[in-house]
This record gives sequence, structure tokens and C-alpha cells, in this order.
Amino acid sequence: EAGVAQSPRYKIIEKRQSVAFWCNPISGHATLYWYQQILGQGPKLLIQFQNNGVVDDSQLPKDRFSAERLKGVDSTLKIQPAKLEDSAVYLCASSLRGGGSGDTQYFGPGTRLTVL
Amino acid sequence: SQKIEQNSEALNIQEGKTATLTCNYTNYSPAYLQWYRQDPGRGPVFLLLIRENEKEKRKERLKVTFDTTLKQSLFHITASQPADSATYLCALVGGSSNTGKLIFGQGTTLQVKP
Repeated sequence: EAGVAQSPRYKIIEKRQSVAFWCNPISGHATLYWYQQILGQGPKLLIQFQNNGVVDDSQLPKDRFSAERLKGVDSTLKIQPAKLEDSAVYLCASSLRGGGSGDTQYFGPGTRLTVL
Repeated sequence: SQKIEQNSEALNIQEGKTATLTCNYTNYSPAYLQWYRQDPGRGPVFLLLIRENEKEKRKERLKVTFDTTLKQSLFHITASQPADSATYLCALVGGSSNTGKLIFGQGTTLQVKP
């Protein structure tokens, strides 16, 4: 079974530029998550999709971050414009059901973003 | 506010010993608690899940305990090996609005020396 795919693996941009990350979850998984992991910290949920609807985006900085999950499969996360403090690893995860089931989340390798 | 704390200092132990990692939380009533392993440059990998009504869970050399009175989980690796060296993350699931959202601790780095 293929795992969660993410691209690119690394990205370096200047502040105020825009950037986009792509995620392809495990086939058949209904729920998709985007996390931000700053060095030395645990992952922090940015947005959670159930199929193509948003379940939780309470910690997404909506003035600069946006995400979409077209057709309930792939997803993209965009930052525009980027700030220095956005330097982090962006992790995508998926789970079969999601919701309150305590479902296992399967993580991709992440995209390491450096904002100069 | 909700807070999850893990040992911020790295844990160094000798091969063959038992490693014990701690996860404490406040202002939260999780339905589940999960433990993940994260290697450098990789995403977290699920290890174990324990429910609020379970005291202990085992899987091979791993054991997790969950004390909802103390608001603490302990994660044990017995007969530790150098290959167990990694960062271990605890994550809480549930609460008043249970969407399956994981709230992670900052992780504890374990170093097992041969």
C-alpha cells in the first residue's frame, strides 16, 4: 500500500513570496490533515478535511494560508505572502475515517520550508 | 488553556535497559491518547493508542499506561536497542468537540547507546 505522498520535499523562498505544497493521501482515506511542525516542537494542526469539506481550520492563519481538497482526494496548502516565522516542516496526514474514532493517522515525509 | 508536556531534555540510556517517557497534560479530557515515533527528516509513525477507560496497553516491547486522575501517560520500551533512538511524541484525541484532532506534545528524544 502506497503511503502519503508530499511534494516538494524542500523549498526555500524569500519573505513575501508565495509557495504551495501538494499532498496525495492514502487511497480511500476520507480524512486529510495539514500540520505545521516548527523545529523542536510537536506538529500543530492547521486544517482538517473530511472528504472535501473542512472540519477544523481554527488554527489556520487565514489572512495568509489557504487550503483546498478538490474531489475529496489530493490537497494543496498555500502561503501568500510568506513570513520568516512560517519556516517549518509542513506535514500532511490521512486517516480512514477521522472524526472521534481515534483513527490512526498516517503521515507523509513533510515539506521543509525555509523563508529567508 | 490546554497544555501537554513531555520531557524536554533528551533521554540517554544503555542498550538493554528500559526507557520510560512521560506525557503530562492539563485542562483536557481526552478520549484517547496516542504515541508516535518520529525519525529525523520523516513524518511521525503511529505506535500505540490507549483509551480513557484503559489502564495499560502492550505491543511487543512497548507498554503504555494512562492515568486520567493524574493526567499522565507513561511510555516504556523494554530491552531497548540503538534502533529505538528517535523522538517520541504523545498526542491527545478528543475532548468537548471530538473531531479526531490530535494535539501533540513537543516530543522527547531518546538515545540508546550500545
